[in-house]
Amino acid sequence: DTEVTQTPKHLVMGMTNKKSLKCEQHMGHRAMYWYKQKAKKPPELMFVYSYEKLSINESVPSRFSPECPNSSLLNLHLHALQPEDSALYLCASSLRGLDHNEQFFGPGTRLTVL
Amino acid sequence: DAKTTQPNSMESNEEEPVHLPCNHSTISGTDYIHWYRQLPSQGPEYVIHGLTSNVNNRMASLAIAEDRKSSTLILHRATLRDAAVYYCILRDTGSGGSNYKLTFGKGTLLTVNP
Repeated sequence: DTEVTQTPKHLVMGMTNKKSLKCEQHMGHRAMYWYKQKAKKPPELMFVYSYEKLSINESVPSRFSPECPNSSLLNLHLHALQPEDSALYLCASSLRGLDHNEQFFGPGTRLTVL
Repeated sequence: DAKTTQPNSMESNEEEPVHLPCNHSTISGTDYIHWYRQLPSQGPEYVIHGLTSNVNNRMASLAIAEDRKSSTLILHRATLRDAAVYYCILRDTGSGGSNYKLTFGKGTLLTVNP
């Protein structure tokens, strides 16, 4: 299984809602990542988990809260988002933490904040 | 991070070779050259990477200039499925380098004509 899966594919939420994005991989990878991609722009790194510990937070607002319950699963909890947070949220994984191995990306969750 | 420069867009015909250039004049000795691509409505996908020598894999070839200030991704026979944004990324694997990060530039939008 060489796949990173993300659910849901699409999400529409209001500014007062709480929702979560889910990412899963069963490749035994120990690093997992969240990226944000606005329309017609390149992906931008948000968070990096290495061996289930948060290693990098790229100064992301606290309304985004990542969680890594185990080595296969990565969540992104969303609360009180703004319309400008509407974007494609990409999850990725790589073999070991904090190294230069290739990253495997999921298809993303397209989020719309009303 | 050392930066890369790529053309905004390129066009190719199906079944013809495609040469996608990337300039990285400030590359350091510990920077690997990575290429990813992003097909429409999908997450990025690893293509190839190299340090100094030319590299081949099932997807593409990477030709690296002798001074390493530029590189070229070669698709030997373009197909319609190769239409994507191609990103050239430098990853620092030196001591203290942010080698876990993929910092995407604007990339080159490749259009393949039937």
